[in-house]
Amino acid sequence: DAGVTQSPTHLIKTRGQQVTLRCSPISGHKSVSWYQQVLGQGPQFIFQYYEKEERGRGNFPDRFSARQFPNYSSELNVNALLLGDSALYLCASSLFNSRDEQYFGPGTRLTVT
Amino acid sequence: GEDVEQSLFLSVREGDSSVINCTYTDSSSTYLYWYKQEPGAGLQLLTYIFSNMDMKQDQRLTVLLNKKDKHLSLRIADTQTGDSAIYFCAEKVTDKLIFGTGTRLQVFP
Repeated sequence: DAGVTQSPTHLIKTRGQQVTLRCSPISGHKSVSWYQQVLGQGPQFIFQYYEKEERGRGNFPDRFSARQFPNYSSELNVNALLLGDSALYLCASSLFNSRDEQYFGPGTRLTVT
Repeated sequence: GEDVEQSLFLSVREGDSSVINCTYTDSSSTYLYWYKQEPGAGLQLLTYIFSNMDMKQDQRLTVLLNKKDKHLSLRIADTQTGDSAIYFCAEKVTDKLIFGTGTRLQVFP
């Protein structure tokens, strides 16, 4: 069975640009969450979506936005990139039940220069 | 508040047991998780424990939870070189996971 997939694997952007990251959940999972992991730190929660609705938002600026499609895949958009946005962006999918075990993809490494 | 703390580094000899510790602050946590991250990779879910349990065993892994002290530990029996990685504990608070800073486990022969 395919796990969570993310694209692209790596990305280099310059300050001020915009970026779109993509995620496909495990088959049967209807919830997708996005996390940012800065080098040397634990992942920080950005968004959770379930059935195309935003269910949770972390402490990130409005430059960060996301959406979920009818097939439960998701996109994370970041506008007006800053150097501090350089990080590994992780997507996780889950069944959105009480246990809510989240399974992570390999991540997209974003470098902002 | 929401804060999860872990020691940064642990070094063990191959074949010994490893114990990775974690403390959290949010008493409303329902589930707590342990994840493993190898270099350049995403996070692999290892195990979880419900907040009303105090122990869970899964093959070489044993999770202990002291809810009173908000302390969680992961014991890896017979540690192997393939266990070398960063280990994160995480607590579920409402709809999000709060992660610790990670403990780097190094296994030497």
